[in-house]
Amino acid sequence: GAGVSQSPSNKVTEKGKDVELRCDPISGHTALYWYRQRLGQGLEFLIYFQGNSAPDKSGLPSDRFSAERTGESVSTLTIQRTQQEDSAVYLCASSWGTLRPSYNEQFFGPGTRLTVL
Amino acid sequence: TQLLEQSPQFLSIQEGENLTVYCNSSSVFSSLQWYRQEPGEGPVLLVTVVTGGEVKKLKRLTFQFGDARKDSSLHITAAQPGDTGLYLCAGLPYALNFGKGTSLLVTP
Repeated sequence: GAGVSQSPSNKVTEKGKDVELRCDPISGHTALYWYRQRLGQGLEFLIYFQGNSAPDKSGLPSDRFSAERTGESVSTLTIQRTQQEDSAVYLCASSWGTLRPSYNEQFFGPGTRLTVL
Repeated sequence: TQLLEQSPQFLSIQEGENLTVYCNSSSVFSSLQWYRQEPGEGPVLLVTVVTGGEVKKLKRLTFQFGDARKDSSLHITAAQPGDTGLYLCAGLPYALNFGKGTSLLVTP
């Protein structure tokens, strides 16, 4: 596709349920990033992938959060046993290369708005 | 963790006014990026600055990278309602070093 796509665009779930968020990066982009953005806030880094491996998982807020990437393409972010504090917009981005030392531009998707009731 | 502080956090101005927003850190960055995020969308890259003292202009937007590469500023001349959005700075390694942003509202 022409840009990064994310699905669903909106997700409302009940506390305690598991959710899966999907990201389709730009074709050929080897790096993929997940962020969380709470209302009116900046970006909170969660995890990034270089190819199918995740060198840095330090941003995941708890063990309820996990992510995987297959075929150097699609990535899914899974949140288990959702809590109300998980409510936020989850943004995905992709770029041609890795975090260091390039100046790579990140192309962002429109995000998934997650609401946990 | 290299922290980027952005100021002001919020800014509301009228069309035609000039404004400057800041991105500061105690750490040196080899390069820095500015993004703009409009409501309901993901951030979009505006510029990358890589040399201390560098100044880049994009139409009414002027970006400056500090000589010591610890800070940057974004100046907007004659702001328009279309400039409304969240302005984010990010220092290399970009994903780990996003500032919290300046939320700008330009009213007609």
